[in-house]
Amino acid sequence: DTEVTQTPKHLVMGMTNKKSLKCEQHMGHRAMYWYKQKAKKPPELMFVYSYEKLSINESVPSRFSPECPNSSLLNLHLHALQPEDSALYLCASSQAGRPVGEQFFGPGTRLTVL
Amino acid sequence: KNEVEQSPQNLTAQEGEFITINCSYSVGISALHWLQQHPGGGIVSLFMLSSGKKKHGRLIATINIQEKHSSLHITASHPRDSAVYICAVWDSGGGADGLTFGKGTHLIIQP
Repeated sequence: DTEVTQTPKHLVMGMTNKKSLKCEQHMGHRAMYWYKQKAKKPPELMFVYSYEKLSINESVPSRFSPECPNSSLLNLHLHALQPEDSALYLCASSQAGRPVGEQFFGPGTRLTVL
Repeated sequence: KNEVEQSPQNLTAQEGEFITINCSYSVGISALHWLQQHPGGGIVSLFMLSSGKKKHGRLIATINIQEKHSSLHITASHPRDSAVYICAVWDSGGGADGLTFGKGTHLIIQP
C-alpha cells in the first residue's frame, strides 16, 4: 500500500467554526508533513512530524494546530480561520532519518473559509 | 535556504514532441524530487534522485550534482502528460525537514 489518504476532500467553513483535516498512511513511514498550497503557487511547508514528534513548525499561526496521535495518522485542527487561509492542504509522508526517503503525497483537502 | 528555479514556467507543445524541463538549485542537496500535479490537486512523485539518471517509461530524469542542475525529459509526449511539473529538493542537512519547491512548469501538450 503506497497510498496517503486525506479526508475530507472538500471543506467549507465559517470563520468561527472548528474543523479537522485528517491524513493516514500505512507505509510504515515515520515522517509526516502538512503543506499549504495557494492557487498557481508551489506548496509551502507548514509542519513536520518525525517519530510522532513535531520537529518543524514553519511559523504557522496558532489557528492551525497539528496532531500526530500515532505513526499512521496526522491531523490538522482548524479554529478561527481567515478567508486568506483558503487553499489546498496537502499531507505527505516519507521515511524518517537519513538517507531521506521518497515523499508520498495525499490528494489534498480543498478548504474554503467564508 | 535553498532557492529552486525552474524553466520554462509555461510550455505548450504538439503531441509527439520531446520535452525538456530544467531545474537549478543554489545549495547542496541530499536528493531531488520531480513531481507531477494535475488540475484538481493531487501530487504524484515521478522520481527521486541524488545522482546520475533514472528512467521510467517515457520519462527520464538526470541530475548533475556539481552543476546543481537537473532535467526532466518526456519522450513522445501525449496530451495526458499535460500537468504542472514541480522540482523539489531535500537540503543536504537531510532528515525529515521537508521539501523546498520550485514554482513549477505548466505543460500543455496539444493533440
